[in-house]
Amino acid sequence: EVQLVESGGGLVQPGGSLRLSCAASGFTVSSNYMSWVRQAPGKGLEWVSVIYSGGSTYYADSVKGRFTISRDNSKNTLYLQMNSLRAEDTAVYYCARDLRKYYFDYWGQGTLVTVSS
Amino acid sequence: QSALTQPPSVSGSPGQSVTISCTGTSSDVGSYNRVSWYQQPPGTAPKLMIYEVSNRPSGVPDRFSGSKSGNTASLTISGLQAEDEADYYCSSYTSSSTWVFGGGTKLTVL
Repeated sequence: EVQLVESGGGLVQPGGSLRLSCAASGFTVSSNYMSWVRQAPGKGLEWVSVIYSGGSTYYADSVKGRFTISRDNSKNTLYLQMNSLRAEDTAVYYCARDLRKYYFDYWGQGTLVTVSS
Repeated sequence: QSALTQPPSVSGSPGQSVTISCTGTSSDVGSYNRVSWYQQPPGTAPKLMIYEVSNRPSGVPDRFSGSKSGNTASLTISGLQAEDEADYYCSSYTSSSTWVFGGGTKLTVL
């Protein structure tokens, strides 16, 4: 059974850092495209970042230079390192699987990141 | 990376049909058949409903259908049921090797 379990969210001050994790089971992270998608409170979905099976990474303009996506193949886990956090980064962060077909077939339950002083 | 354009809300009575539009550009919706649709009831994670413009994953009722013309994709839900009430989002792959979502449409079943 495919499962994605996010963790690492919490309250952080503006300018701070946080690392999110997404533990996967039932499939191999490195064989697929993996994305982070976020949703600010009461707002719509916003794509954040992707790591392709070949290792290439891409980011939304809103997080470029501040966020870094990575994966640990030995742990079958996806990460999102978030630095220089801003109030507008407050959101539920979801990880999502893409079977290299450019759509997201499985989503985690999400982890809430709150950036506030 | 501008969001795709969706109507903020649509509504319909049980048994009726509704269509949600999703307008992008020649750099995303218009360039690829890589448009997908997601259903999100309140407080839950999104669920894939349509992929590659018009394909339904296993388990999604055939009341849900998708199409595309030029830079605009559409999701049609026929035979509306109360359980269909949710937020719906379209998404497209882009020429920048990234993804973009629509702003979301709240479906109300009257």
